[in-house]
Amino acid sequence: QSVLTQPPSVSAAPGQKVTISCSGSSSNIGNTNVSWYRQLPGTAPTLLIYENDKRPSGIPDRFSGSKSGTSATLGITGLQTGDEADYYCGAWDYSLSAVKWVFGGGTKLTVL
Amino acid sequence: QVQLVESGGGVVQPGRSLRLSCATSGFTFSSYGMHWVRLAPGKGLEWLAFMSFDGNTQYYTDSVKGRFTISRDNSKNTLFLQMNSPRAEDTAVYYCATDGPNYNIDNWGQGSLVTVSS
Repeated sequence: QSVLTQPPSVSAAPGQKVTISCSGSSSNIGNTNVSWYRQLPGTAPTLLIYENDKRPSGIPDRFSGSKSGTSATLGITGLQTGDEADYYCGAWDYSLSAVKWVFGGGTKLTVL
Repeated sequence: QVQLVESGGGVVQPGRSLRLSCATSGFTFSSYGMHWVRLAPGKGLEWLAFMSFDGNTQYYTDSVKGRFTISRDNSKNTLFLQMNSPRAEDTAVYYCATDGPNYNIDNWGQGSLVTVSS
């Protein structure tokens, strides 16, 4: 069971918009920045969003991020078949017993 | 540009040892914290360990604490993961990654497959 909770799967048609949620707690999302990663089949993960809502250079503005309280959301507009991948949120977790990085369980995006 | 190249993976018997390496280039290795992350078959990304830029701080996830050790050689721009007493459930692709300046993991290597099997 992951510390950050994501839906296992989402789907939408090409050209449409999809959102992926990431729910955490005051020890992680509520206390620090969230980042998002995309992992295409058979490849390494890549950074999509950092500091809740910022895009690294080279990431198109079809990808957006937001955070409110202990939850975060990744939005993807203008869906393309090439967007089919697994998407993960991640953040530092500062509990009383340990500091660790945590990922969500991942969300598989299907572009129908 | 930033390059991270993992090596040392392969087939290892349960209870034996294996050391992964991550050779880096394209950035000032000694200024950055580093992570190990793995992806097991059919599972999601699992963060394993972090080491600060100077090696003085390490964090581990509970499932590998006491069995795996993260280390680095700043003179050789290389990160290591010593895997002792591996179990079948440690079978995964292992990635090294840089700790970004914005509380994120940013650059990733291509991964090294470790299979624990007798």
